Amino acid sequence: GDSVTQMEGPVTLSEEAFLTINCTYTATGYPSLFWYVQYPGEGLQLLLKATKADDKGSNKGFEATYRKETTSFHLEKGSVQVSDSAVYFCALRRDTGRRALTFGSGTRLQVQP
Amino acid sequence: EAQVTQNPRYLITVTGKKLTVTCSQNMNHEYMSWYRQDPGLGLRQIYYSMNVEVTDKGDVPEGYKVSRKEKRNFPLILESPSPNQTSLYFCASSLTWQSNEKLFFGSGTQLSVL
Repeated sequence: GDSVTQMEGPVTLSEEAFLTINCTYTATGYPSLFWYVQYPGEGLQLLLKATKADDKGSNKGFEATYRKETTSFHLEKGSVQVSDSAVYFCALRRDTGRRALTFGSGTRLQVQP
Repeated sequence: EAQVTQNPRYLITVTGKKLTVTCSQNMNHEYMSWYRQDPGLGLRQIYYSMNVEVTDKGDVPEGYKVSRKEKRNFPLILESPSPNQTSLYFCASSLTWQSNEKLFFGSGTQLSVL
């Protein structure tokens, strides 16, 4: 079945550091890929998405590129802020059948001032 | 304000005592869904509903029931809760089934079954 694997956290960075959170997936066909963010005490919010190979999703300074050859969708940000501290979830969705989202286990990011 | 409202925020109960977690959205969304979040497992879908009176099982439906009698409400029912249902539960909605990546999530319900 479909699956998403993320690097384990927590990831601890200083403010203005470069961020990479790795995500790889297993799925048949051509799924759409997503990053969601969960701030403390809140539900998840869609951060960015990419629907086909080589697409780059971007939002709020975060970017991720859909790499079909490596089945990856790594999240990057050039300069993190304390306000970016949250849990980040990678997810995929096959655009056939019940179109359910399959989530990774989440990676906690802690940014220190 | 557009939102998904879940109640209660925290719930402690005992094995076998029926409970209901309510979910309501004020955005006229067709699609609603329930997830449970467990450490190391991410979010897993319990049930979903594409519209009123249309519900279907997700990945982990055992031990749960849902109903969708009105568009805005999608309650989650645990007829006989067990300790392995201790989890953080999220209700979510989107405008349509086709746009279900643009989910609006509630703030969550932390359930403990003793």
